[in-house]
Amino acid sequence: EIVLTQSPTTMAASPGEKVTLTCLASSSVNYMYWYQQKSSASPKLLIYYTSSLASGVPDRFSGSGSGTSYSLTISSMEAEDAAIYYCLQLTSTPLTFGSGTKLEIK
Amino acid sequence: EVQVLESGGGLVQPGNSLKLSCATSGFTFSTAWMYWYRQFPEKRLEWVARIKAKSNNYATDYTESVKGRFTISRDDSKSSIYLQMNNLKEEDTAIYYCASSFAYWGQGTLVTVSS
Repeated sequence: EIVLTQSPTTMAASPGEKVTLTCLASSSVNYMYWYQQKSSASPKLLIYYTSSLASGVPDRFSGSGSGTSYSLTISSMEAEDAAIYYCLQLTSTPLTFGSGTKLEIK
Repeated sequence: EVQVLESGGGLVQPGNSLKLSCATSGFTFSTAWMYWYRQFPEKRLEWVARIKAKSNNYATDYTESVKGRFTISRDDSKSSIYLQMNNLKEEDTAIYYCASSFAYWGQGTLVTVSS
């Protein structure tokens, strides 16, 4: 099983601040997927195929990485970006999620 | 517009069964690999099951904890998938999401297993 470790677990950022979230895989994966979840809503796709921006997602979000190390970057934090962020690997079963990063606004 | 709508959740006693349904529209269902995921009360997300398309012989995969208890199926004529859950356990309590690959998720249906 590929374990995804996200860091940090929790963080707070000021409006306008650059934010980088990390997802480390225990084995190499082909791509990483990133989701945003607010309160009781279902997870919303932000990034697919490691660096492709999902439809309707602001371009302040970006993804990068390869092999076992991936990151999600918010170029300029906004209040509406406060949420929990999860990474997901679809390379091999069992498909696995990271435990999430809770991002708060300062 | 893509729509993914789960139904069938509810309160059930341990050992009993429940069948979830997921109706979709707005994308080419017949070629899509479809998934069930779940989110536990503590917010942890877990993949539950996957069913591939007809071209992949409708192959299925399951997370270890549900093998032998859950069955995923699909009806391409109805653009729908299902999750038959038998011998439910309290640890199966979660919100169950239907999804098309990585892109389209439903709003979820709550399954509570409790006596």
